[in-house]
Amino acid sequence: GAVVSQHPSRVICKSGTSVKIECRSLDFQATTMFWYRQFPKKSLMLMATSNEGSKATYEQGVEKDKFLINHASLTLSTLTVTSAHPEDSSFYICSANRVGGYTFGSGTRLTVV
Amino acid sequence: TQLLEQSPQFLSIQEGENLTVYCNSSSVFSSLQWYRQEPGEGPVLLVTVVTGGEVKKLKRLTFQFGDARKDSSLHITAAQPGDTGLYLCAGEHPDSGYALNFGKGTSLLVTP
Repeated sequence: GAVVSQHPSRVICKSGTSVKIECRSLDFQATTMFWYRQFPKKSLMLMATSNEGSKATYEQGVEKDKFLINHASLTLSTLTVTSAHPEDSSFYICSANRVGGYTFGSGTRLTVV
Repeated sequence: TQLLEQSPQFLSIQEGENLTVYCNSSSVFSSLQWYRQEPGEGPVLLVTVVTGGEVKKLKRLTFQFGDARKDSSLHITAAQPGDTGLYLCAGEHPDSGYALNFGKGTSLLVTP
């Protein structure tokens, strides 16, 4: 079945630094990927839609300069949290859609200290 | 905007009990999906319901899609500790392109 690989699974960074999260579709091409953010015991909130070869579409209230998305190939989308602050600590999940439904990565736990 | 209202948000029951989780919307969805998520992992698809009035069964789990395709329910019979997790309903909506909109989720705890 379709697999989406997300890396890293956990990252701890210092306040003010940037962190890059990768999302790869392993056995299919994904022209569109989605990035979600999730707080403990809460649901997934869509942050942005990543489009291969064009600019990402951000949801209302999501700072595009803080959460940089790059979708340079049909199998890779990256989310970079720039100048991270403790309030950016969260669980970030990517997803891709293909025939048969959506597939999710295993998530990245970001902790900013 | 929360397109999907899910209830209850938290549920703690004992092994062997039955439970129902509801997912409601004022919007019509072409399909709704149910996911289960464990801590530190991504959601895993349980089922997709497409046809109004549809009922799907997955072992002890029964999923229904409302006739008007605006609501869905998940019923678990004789819950077991292994059913513990976060249950999420989700659907595509034109306002969000192809992205899934999720309900707030139901955190289920089944104690032995």
